[in-house]
Amino acid sequence: AQSVTQLGSHVSVSEGALVLLRCNYSSSVPPYLFWYVQYPNQGLQLLLKYTSAATLVKGINGFEAEFKKSETSFHLTKPSAHMSDAAEYFCAVSDQGGGSYIPTFGRGTSLIVHP
Amino acid sequence: KAGVTQTPRYLIKTRGQQVTLSCSPISGHRSVSWYQQTPGQGLQFLFEYFSETQRNKGNFPGRFSGRQFSNSRSEMNVSTLELGDSALYLCASSLAGTSGAYEQYFGPGTRLTVT
Repeated sequence: AQSVTQLGSHVSVSEGALVLLRCNYSSSVPPYLFWYVQYPNQGLQLLLKYTSAATLVKGINGFEAEFKKSETSFHLTKPSAHMSDAAEYFCAVSDQGGGSYIPTFGRGTSLIVHP
Repeated sequence: KAGVTQTPRYLIKTRGQQVTLSCSPISGHRSVSWYQQTPGQGLQFLFEYFSETQRNKGNFPGRFSGRQFSNSRSEMNVSTLELGDSALYLCASSLAGTSGAYEQYFGPGTRLTVT
């Protein structure tokens, strides 16, 4: 079964600083990968997804993520944090090629943005 | 296009009671999944329905059940509520056939509190 690890339950940055949220998956076959964001009292919203096209994926709100097969990683970045980016971020993975298509979610990383 | 809607948004129940939560997916989406979200366990998959059939089930006791109607609307039921059932219950819909490439669209959730 797939598993996904998000390093750091909380990440704190200053407004204007680089945002880096880490996600590693466990699979011998590259999976489909997703990043979702959850604002308080809301459901999850898709930021971006990787489905075996370009390894650098651009998403909404200035976020992007790079798929690195050799490192089994799919880290999320944003060059300059805004106060409005404060939220919970989830990495999710699902199988390609006949495996489980139900996504497995990481435990989430809470992004805190300081003025 | 209207998003995923869930009713009610908030619910307070007493131990031993039962509860029914409702979810209306995005028009055209035939797959509906349910998740339980708690601070301690994160997002845990409950079950998925497609064309009125349960296709996948997570590792939850039989007190948790669901169904899907011909218009793709779904309900989940929890019987004999326990304090540990207090959580945010999220519904997600997808275009998915059996491809993991499809992202999920989440509703705002139902916050269930069991006293």
